[in-house]
Amino acid sequence: GAVVSQHPSRVICKSGTSVKIECRSLDFQATTMFWYRQFPKQSLMLMATSNEGSKATYEQGVEKDKFLINHASLTLSTLTVTSAHPEDSSFYICSARGRGRAYEQYFGPGTRLTVT
Amino acid sequence: AQKVTQAQTEISVVEKEDVTLDCVYETRDTTYYLFWYKQPPSGELVFLIRRNSFDEQNEISGRYSWNFQKSTSSFNFTITASQVVDSAVYFCALSPFETSGSRLTFGEGTQLTVNP
Repeated sequence: GAVVSQHPSRVICKSGTSVKIECRSLDFQATTMFWYRQFPKQSLMLMATSNEGSKATYEQGVEKDKFLINHASLTLSTLTVTSAHPEDSSFYICSARGRGRAYEQYFGPGTRLTVT
Repeated sequence: AQKVTQAQTEISVVEKEDVTLDCVYETRDTTYYLFWYKQPPSGELVFLIRRNSFDEQNEISGRYSWNFQKSTSSFNFTITASQVVDSAVYFCALSPFETSGSRLTFGEGTQLTVNP
């Protein structure tokens, strides 16, 4: 099956700094990538949907200026958490969908962000 | 609007018992996809099954089986002869049947603990 990687798998940063998370599709072209956020013992909440070469579509309540998403190529999307605060500590998961396969979403292994 | 309800927050069984995880969904779409994912402690989502709404045949895969009943909007998941390795959080999810923007709506998840 298709493989999606995320880097880093874990990151600890200080409050006020920014952190970038990368999501890569390794063996297919991802026309659409999704970013989810998961708090402990909770479900996955969709943050934004990004299509290659266009601006991301954010879900209601997600701050665009805080969570910057870039989908510059068909194999890479990045999520930058700007001016991170402890309440941004969470598990961030990306998924990717290939061209012509609308129902297939391949998930990355997730990135655990801890803001101190 | 789409909604997925997994009423069982936590289930605990003893190894070799059968266990059924319930999933009820709401959607106005006439065609859609239903999914089950497993999330072990490592955090990575593991895809288990996808079912489209016009295929109500039940499916069996090894110890796993799924019962899809459109009349009751349910898509239940049964593990037969459970094993300790089945311990994980299981998510049921729903997405529209369309060629683009196939966003997933997740249920709250069911934490399954299989004790030896």
